[in-house]
Amino acid sequence: GAVVSQHPSWVICKSGTSVKIECRSLDFQATTMFWYRQFPKQSLMLMATSNEGSKATYEQGVEKDKFLINHASLTLSTLTVTSAHPEDSSFYICSAGKGQGRITDTQYFGPGTRLTVL
Amino acid sequence: EDQVTQSPEALRLQEGESSSLNCSYTVSGLRGLFWYRQDPGKGPEFLFTLYSAGEEKEKERLKATLTKKESFLHITAPKPEDSATYLCAVQSLSGGYQKVTFGTGTKLQVIP
Repeated sequence: GAVVSQHPSWVICKSGTSVKIECRSLDFQATTMFWYRQFPKQSLMLMATSNEGSKATYEQGVEKDKFLINHASLTLSTLTVTSAHPEDSSFYICSAGKGQGRITDTQYFGPGTRLTVL
Repeated sequence: EDQVTQSPEALRLQEGESSSLNCSYTVSGLRGLFWYRQDPGKGPEFLFTLYSAGEEKEKERLKATLTKKESFLHITAPKPEDSATYLCAVQSLSGGYQKVTFGTGTKLQVIP
């Protein structure tokens, strides 16, 4: 199968600190990775699409300087929430695809990371 | 603005009782419609992608269909392990900009 892992699975941090979340494709090379956030009982919101070796494409309304995405290899993408504040508390989910920048390719989701900012 | 509405919000079925979940959408330049299954506290599991009206896809007890205005996820003879939240999402292209919009999901509970 296609397995995607995320680390950490949950994190609690103080307001103003930065938090890094890792997303790894364990048994396949992911040319494209996607980052989502999900609030309780709400829809998933696509934050950005990242292709290996290039800059991420952010969705409208998502602050690029706030949510830093790095996709340095075909198996690893990281999301850094900079200067986190309580309103950034959410469930962050990544997914990985084997295509190139087309979200219509099959996506394999990670288990998610629960971020709580105090 | 793109909109995706899923109904019902919640559905409770007896094991073996077939039913359908609805996903109505209003988008400009539809590129694809997706169905996912999500268990509590976990990431979504991809089920189907539909690209054009009239297209149908099946997987075990699930069948997804698509028209120009809505998609249905038909569940035939569901089992308790089918209990989950089912999410619908659409990808659209407008003004050269791609956008993905998710519905709020239908929470399905299948009772033994």
